[in-house]
Amino acid sequence: DVKVTQSSRYLVKRTGEKVFLECVQDMDHENMFWYRQDPGLGLRLIYFSYDVKMKEKGDIPEGYSVSREKKERFSLILESASTNQTSMYLCASGTSAREQFFGPGTRLTVL
Amino acid sequence: GNSVTQMEGPVTLSEEAFLTINCTYTATGYPSLFWYVQYPGEGLQLLLKATKADDKGSNKGFEATYRKETTSFHLEKGSVQVSDSAVYFCALSGVNFNKFYFGSGTKLNVKP
Repeated sequence: DVKVTQSSRYLVKRTGEKVFLECVQDMDHENMFWYRQDPGLGLRLIYFSYDVKMKEKGDIPEGYSVSREKKERFSLILESASTNQTSMYLCASGTSAREQFFGPGTRLTVL
Repeated sequence: GNSVTQMEGPVTLSEEAFLTINCTYTATGYPSLFWYVQYPGEGLQLLLKATKADDKGSNKGFEATYRKETTSFHLEKGSVQVSDSAVYFCALSGVNFNKFYFGSGTKLNVKP
């Protein structure tokens, strides 16, 4: 079974803090994705990566950056957290031939 | 461009009722279509998929048929259970599966 794990299920941070969300997959997938999920808005793509050290902006990249130094790991970085970044963050991985597999999510609260 | 529209919820049904959740899409080319389910407190899980027109995806009693002529992929189940209570997302991907487009999700509540 594909496993996608995220470093935290719940996280509380203060405005202005630098926040790291980590995602690890164990199936050698080339593609990895970060989404945020908000009520009524569904899933919105923040960034994705199709190879090590490669990244592409999604629909809402402002205020975020990413890092992919190893194939299995994809990190989302909030350089200076703000209250409007309070959300559920979902990581996913996949190949160029099949569906995406999701992690359990990190619920981030920025105070 | 690509987009997915699904019916707003919440949808509330009694156990053993028939379920339909509507999903329509706009896409360039020939997308693959998916239904994902999110149970409370969890991430999304693939429920079923269809990769070409007229394909029917099915799993756990749920079904959806890829209708190119109506650009639809409606989710159906003949008899829902309380354990089906969750949020359901319709999604499409382009030819290379590199980018997915999700609908806004439909919350299903099933009462005993």
